[in-house]
Amino acid sequence: NAGVTQTPKFQVLKTGQSMTLQCAQDMNHNSMYWYRQDPGMGLRLIYYSASEGTTDKGEVPNGYNVSRLNKREFSLRLESAAPSQTSVYFCASTPKNYYEQYFGPGTRLTVT
Amino acid sequence: AQTVTQSQPEMSVQEAETVTLSCTYDTSESDYYLFWYKQPPSRQMILVIRQEAYKQQNATENRFSVNFQKAAKSFSLKISDSQLGDAAMYFCAYGDYKLSFGAGTTVTVRA
Repeated sequence: NAGVTQTPKFQVLKTGQSMTLQCAQDMNHNSMYWYRQDPGMGLRLIYYSASEGTTDKGEVPNGYNVSRLNKREFSLRLESAAPSQTSVYFCASTPKNYYEQYFGPGTRLTVT
Repeated sequence: AQTVTQSQPEMSVQEAETVTLSCTYDTSESDYYLFWYKQPPSRQMILVIRQEAYKQQNATENRFSVNFQKAAKSFSLKISDSQLGDAAMYFCAYGDYKLSFGAGTTVTVRA
């Protein structure tokens, strides 16, 4: 039982490049989330998926897209990376009717 | 918009002593959940304690306890008998299926 896994752990992009952050959970959780963490701002919700087949915007969705590929996987895509997207990205999941979020190890992304 | 406020950016505590981290939040809901998460230098987010708003009894997990004041919308975390391994950033979070996080409090433990 690996919990929530994220790939890659580190990434450096040039402005304008695209990439997809991958997240998978093996706990049969219903809901999945993408956050970004910036110094002095805590975690801010980018997108979430309450259940397989649904996605909704969070607090800071601009510049991102998501795909809930199946119950296990929830990916985050940056179509044209910008320096403002330099951050640490966390994926999380929760089981149905239960609100504790289980987090992945994070991805540190730098856009130059 | 940030609806969770952690007013102490940094706190320092002597090993074996007690430290209390403050958290206030803003909501019009009556039913919600509150959490404290710990983030050590490894970056992993670890749940410390949770509190259901409908429960009056304050949650306790070993050396960690909360003081939940629903009317005041306050949710403080007390760490007793502080250990070197408690050094980390601590985040308060509120919500239900979506959580709002505070900006965090960095706790350092002096040996």
